Amino acid sequence: GQNIDQPTEMTATEGAIVQINCTYQTSGFNGLFWYQQHAGEAPTFLSYNVLDGLEEKGRFSSFLSRSKGYSYLLLKELQMKDSASYLCAVNNDRGSTLGRLYFGRGTQLTVWP
Amino acid sequence: DGGITQSPKYLFRKEGQNVTLSCEQNLNHDAMYWYRQDPGQGLRLIYYSQIVNDFQKGDIAEGYSVSREKKESFPLTVTSAQKNPTAFYLCASSSPGAKNIQYFGAGTRLSVL
Repeated sequence: GQNIDQPTEMTATEGAIVQINCTYQTSGFNGLFWYQQHAGEAPTFLSYNVLDGLEEKGRFSSFLSRSKGYSYLLLKELQMKDSASYLCAVNNDRGSTLGRLYFGRGTQLTVWP
Repeated sequence: DGGITQSPKYLFRKEGQNVTLSCEQNLNHDAMYWYRQDPGQGLRLIYYSQIVNDFQKGDIAEGYSVSREKKESFPLTVTSAQKNPTAFYLCASSSPGAKNIQYFGAGTRLSVL
């Protein structure tokens, strides 16, 4: 099977930095995605990594190590509106030209004032 | 405005009834997907389609059916064979030339009467 693991819950205070980890074991790999999902809403795309290293986009950064099957999402200068579930997803293209995403269960982040 | 439109936002199903969830996109994406989300669970893939008139079963296809007669449309029917249909249903689309980033509709919340 395909395994995507991430912590269930995390808490942090406004202005702080938080790192959400994701480990994966999949039969194929063609990119790792992070999505943000507020309660009752659709997931929105945050970041994409396919090569090892750090991708920075404003307050959010994402890191990938393919050899370790590991990624993290780093959120800086936390704001109350960052309280949401963060979903890690791996694109497995084994047996399929386009590939399909396998999602972790999501990490519920609560930001306190 | 380009995007993915799901309707209805809320849907109620009676015992033994089939219901159809609509998903339309004007992003000119080739691929479309249906996911189911239950509390505390990640997104689970029901069906996906990479091209018109073709679709593939995902991990939890039993009790569901789809069609892909037009590029823009990918309706999902929840049949009476699906014994536990209460969930949040999300439709997504992607383009192979754009890292296969999936963009989501706002979702349909289905409940059983």
